[in-house]
Amino acid sequence: GNSVTQMEGPVTLSEEAFLTINCTYTATGYPSLFWYVQYPGEGLQLLLKATKADDKGSNKGFEATYRKETTSFHLEKGSVQVSDSAVYFCALANSNSGYALNFGKGTSLLVTP
Amino acid sequence: GAVVSQHPSWVICKSGTSVKIECRSLDFQATTMFWYRQFPKQSLMLMATSNEGSKATYEQGVEKDKFLINHASLTLSTLTVTSAHPEDSSFYICSARWPERNEQFFGPGTRLTVL
Repeated sequence: GNSVTQMEGPVTLSEEAFLTINCTYTATGYPSLFWYVQYPGEGLQLLLKATKADDKGSNKGFEATYRKETTSFHLEKGSVQVSDSAVYFCALANSNSGYALNFGKGTSLLVTP
Repeated sequence: GAVVSQHPSWVICKSGTSVKIECRSLDFQATTMFWYRQFPKQSLMLMATSNEGSKATYEQGVEKDKFLINHASLTLSTLTVTSAHPEDSSFYICSARWPERNEQFFGPGTRLTVL
């Protein structure tokens, strides 16, 4: 079946630090991969996505590359801001599961000034 | 981006009563909607997949007679928690799939508290 594993949090960084949140997946076929962000008190928002191997998704300075050989989709940002404090979820969707999203457990990020 | 609304945003009810939660896609037609449940500080767990005009598909361990799902139109799906109990207290989130964009859009969630 499909599953997503992401690094446990919480992660605490100083402003302008480099961020990496690891995500690996198990899936049959050719899944699409996503990063969602949940800001305090708000609903989930799509941060970025990639639909095939070697695709790079990017948005708001965040990037993630779909690596089929390592079944990974790690999230990176070169310089985090206090406003990036949120919970980040890695997810995958597959046609064989009706495109329902399988989420990782989420990683809480706190950026301090 | 596309907008998905949920109503109500929060509800408190007595044990044994039923609660209906609505999920609407406001600016696109969603042939498929999904219902998730999120416990505090945990991930979203898929409860069921709802296809317009057909019966919902429930995940293992989710009681279909307790969590009634109706997807009567391309823009509306409802989740009814029947005979709610305190252990049903949770954050319920819907999403709607926009097939042309191969993307899901999430509602803001409904906080259910059963006393």
